[in-house]
Amino acid sequence: AQSVTQPDIHITVSEGASLELRCNYSYGATPYLFWYVQSPGQGLQLLLKYFSGDTLVQGIKGFEAEFKRSQSSFNLRKPSVHWSDAAEYFCAVGATGANNLFFGTGTRLTVIP
Amino acid sequence: EAEVAQSPRYKITEKSQAVAFWCDPISGHATLYWYRQILGQGPELLVQFQDESVVDDSQLPKDRFSAERLKGVDSTLKIQPAELGDSAMYLCASSLDRYEQYFGPGTRLTVT
Repeated sequence: AQSVTQPDIHITVSEGASLELRCNYSYGATPYLFWYVQSPGQGLQLLLKYFSGDTLVQGIKGFEAEFKRSQSSFNLRKPSVHWSDAAEYFCAVGATGANNLFFGTGTRLTVIP
Repeated sequence: EAEVAQSPRYKITEKSQAVAFWCDPISGHATLYWYRQILGQGPELLVQFQDESVVDDSQLPKDRFSAERLKGVDSTLKIQPAELGDSAMYLCASSLDRYEQYFGPGTRLTVT
């Protein structure tokens, strides 16, 4: 069965600093991987996705993520965080033939001036 | 840009009452999903429709929850009777293909 682990519940970074949010997944085959962002009281917005090919994927808002099969990871990165990036970030995995996505428990990002 | 619409945005109801949520997916999206997101957790799928047919409702508590998508467009999720543990955000999503899902703003339900 698929599962997603986001080990960091809450991360605080200074504006302008770099960011890395961790995501580990469990799945027997090649997964489809996603990062979503959720602002308070809002729905989820897709930041980026990985299906196949280049393991470094670029997304919106300056985010990127790298798929590492050997580590079962799909970490999200941003070189310079902006105050508007403060939100909840969810990693999700989908599997070939599966109907739905499995989400991690999320990482809340706080950005301090 | 097309969006998934949901209403109401907020709903407060008393325990044992009935409550309903509505979702209008992005035009042309055949697949529609209802998720429940408990505070501090990620969304969990309740039901998935392909056009008007249910393709996965394995996690839907069918004794109190029901969902329909009669014409294969908009959808309604109903809870009757509501329980305190149903307090959560209910998210609707739609997709053109199986994997890239677009989410609505959600309905925040509080059961008192």
